[in-house]
Amino acid sequence: EVQLVESGGGLVQPGGSLRLSCAASGFTFSSYWMSWVRQAPGKGLEWVANIKQDGSEKYYVDSVKGRFTISRDNAKNSLYLQMNSLRAEDTAVYYCASITIFGVVPLGVDVWGQGTTVTVSS
Amino acid sequence: NFMLTQPHSVSESPGKTVTISCTRSSGSIASNYVQWYQQRPGSAPTTVIYEDNQRPSGVPDRFSGSIDSSSNSASLTISGLKTEDEADYYCQSYDSSVNWVFGGGTKLTVL
Repeated sequence: EVQLVESGGGLVQPGGSLRLSCAASGFTFSSYWMSWVRQAPGKGLEWVANIKQDGSEKYYVDSVKGRFTISRDNAKNSLYLQMNSLRAEDTAVYYCASITIFGVVPLGVDVWGQGTTVTVSS
Repeated sequence: NFMLTQPHSVSESPGKTVTISCTRSSGSIASNYVQWYQQRPGSAPTTVIYEDNQRPSGVPDRFSGSIDSSSNSASLTISGLKTEDEADYYCQSYDSSVNWVFGGGTKLTVL
């Protein structure tokens, strides 16, 4: 069974940092593009970042560029999101997701994790 | 970049058919595949349609997807509505730079 389990969420002050982790199992992690998608309280889904199978390509939504870094460790079947200079508007549930591709294009989410909550507040 | 616009809410009775639209603001809807996600209250999203009209294994064939170039929109149709279909539904596509775009979501009420 494919499983994605996020961890690392919590309460952090504005300007602080947090590192989210996602443990993958039940599939060949190193063969999949991976993604982080977030959802602010009461709001819709927002794409955050994607990373290619070998980590050689990374893409970010404009609002997190320069502050967030997506990475992966294929030996540990793990995905990460390093979040720096956090703002109140980064408050959200963060979902780890595996990606469906078409050729070399990452189309959308295949499997979603259950999410981890990040709250940025003083 | 483009936007995907969905109706805020739709409602229909059990056993009926409902269609949720997703209109692309610029560029052709046919140029990039559209995906659809279901999010039941208090739960993580799940994927119900990918590549415009493909269903992942385990998704019932009551769910179908299509695109209409004349209205530049994608649609999710759910037939034989069940109370368990009550959820938020999101469309999603991507641009030429491989950045993803989500629609704002549609709340489906099955009365």
